[in-house]
Amino acid sequence: AQSVTQLGSHVSVSEGALVLLRCNYSSSVPPYLFWYVQYPNQGLQLLLKYTSAATLVKGINGFEAEFKKSETSFHLTKPSAHMSDAAEYFCAVSSSPGGSQGNLIFGKGTKLSVKP
Amino acid sequence: SQTIHQWPATLVQPVGSPLSLECTVEGTSNPNLYWYRQAAGRGLQLLFYSVGIGQISSEVPQNLSASRPQDRQFILSSKKLLLSDSGFYLCAWSLGGMPRGQYFGPGTRLTVT
Repeated sequence: AQSVTQLGSHVSVSEGALVLLRCNYSSSVPPYLFWYVQYPNQGLQLLLKYTSAATLVKGINGFEAEFKKSETSFHLTKPSAHMSDAAEYFCAVSSSPGGSQGNLIFGKGTKLSVKP
Repeated sequence: SQTIHQWPATLVQPVGSPLSLECTVEGTSNPNLYWYRQAAGRGLQLLFYSVGIGQISSEVPQNLSASRPQDRQFILSSKKLLLSDSGFYLCAWSLGGMPRGQYFGPGTRLTVT
C-alpha cells in the first residue's frame, strides 16, 4: 500500500532563505506524487505534480520538487522564501496502481512560517 | 475552465441537528468527487468518494452519508450531528484515468455546539 511521510510538522525560515519541505513515500508501483498548499481557511491548491515524466518538476509560485527513486523522496524547495509562502503544505501519492480512481493518500502536512 | 463551489462557507449547528453540505463542479463531465474532513491537527481524512451518479464509497463508517444526485453535484449529510463532527469540510474533484491530481473547493467550516 502507498503511504507518505512528511518530516517536520513545522518549519520556520527567514524571508529570503531556502525553503526545503521533506516528503518520503512508500509505493509498490511507480508512484504519482503531488504537492499542495493550503492557506488559512481555504481549500488546497495544487502546486505541482510528478507523473513519471521529468524528475525535476516546476510548479507555481517558484516552487519545485525532485523525484528521487533511490531515496523514495519528493522534497519541495524554493530558493528564496517570501512572507506570502507562509501556509501549510501537503505531499500526496496516488493510492491506486495507475491511479485509475484518482484517489490520493495525503501526508499530515507541514506548516511553513516565514520570519521577516 | 473548471470551477468547484461549496456552500455554505461557515455553519454553526447544535448537537443532534441535521446537516447538508453541497458541492458542485462546473466545466467538466463525469468527474470523480471526494469529501474530506480536516479536524484540528489531524490532517486530511477522506470520508467519501464517487466515480459516478449514485456510486458512493465510504472510507470511514460514521454518522455521515453522501449522495450524488447529479453528475456534478455531491452532497454530504447527517441526520444528527455530534460534537466530533466539527471541522473543515473539503470537496474535491478529479478525472479518472491517469492521475492528474485533485482540485479542491474553498471548504465549509462546521462548528457543532
